[in-house]
Amino acid sequence: AQTVTQSQPEMSVQEAETVTLSCTYDTSESDYYLFWYKQPPSRQMILVIRQEAYKQQNATENRFSVNFQKAAKSFSLKISDSQLGDAAMYFCAYRGSQGAQKLVFGQGTRLTINP
Amino acid sequence: KAGVTQTPRYLIKTRGQQVTLSCSPISGHRSVSWYQQTPGQGLQFLFEYFSETQRNKGNFPGRFSGRQFSNSRSEMNVSTLELGDSALYLCASSQGPWDEQFFGPGTRLTVL
Repeated sequence: AQTVTQSQPEMSVQEAETVTLSCTYDTSESDYYLFWYKQPPSRQMILVIRQEAYKQQNATENRFSVNFQKAAKSFSLKISDSQLGDAAMYFCAYRGSQGAQKLVFGQGTRLTINP
Repeated sequence: KAGVTQTPRYLIKTRGQQVTLSCSPISGHRSVSWYQQTPGQGLQFLFEYFSETQRNKGNFPGRFSGRQFSNSRSEMNVSTLELGDSALYLCASSQGPWDEQFFGPGTRLTVL
């Protein structure tokens, strides 16, 4: 079974600085998808960024980028120029390319932005 | 376009009762997935439906069941509630099984 591990339960960063959230996963599949989701205090889960495993290029969405290391099974999220609105729980998630569509989530990292 | 809606948003039940939660997907979306979120276990997959068919089910007891209607709306039912069923239940919809999932705000279930 696939597993996702986020080793940082909490992180904090000063506003306007850069922070990196870590995520590792375990799978025997060669083709899969990885995601970072954000869950603000309002509870609505929002997709931040996605990465297809077959793509070598790291995904980027504005201030959010990932460092995808397939051999190491690592998928970290970098947030540049942190803003107060970035404060939330961040979940790393895995989805296989075959069979169930289900997302396998890590335990989450609570990110605090200090003004 | 309206987002995923879940009703009710909050629910309080007592042990032994049963509960039904509802999820209305984004218009045009035919795939619905359910997840349970608790502080201890995190986010865990419950069910996945596409075109009224359950495609997959997570590792939950038979007390947890679900269904999807022809208009893609989905319901999940939990019978004989236990204290451990207290959780935030999230619904996610997508156009198809392999498309991006959009989450609803969740239903907060408290079992006393």
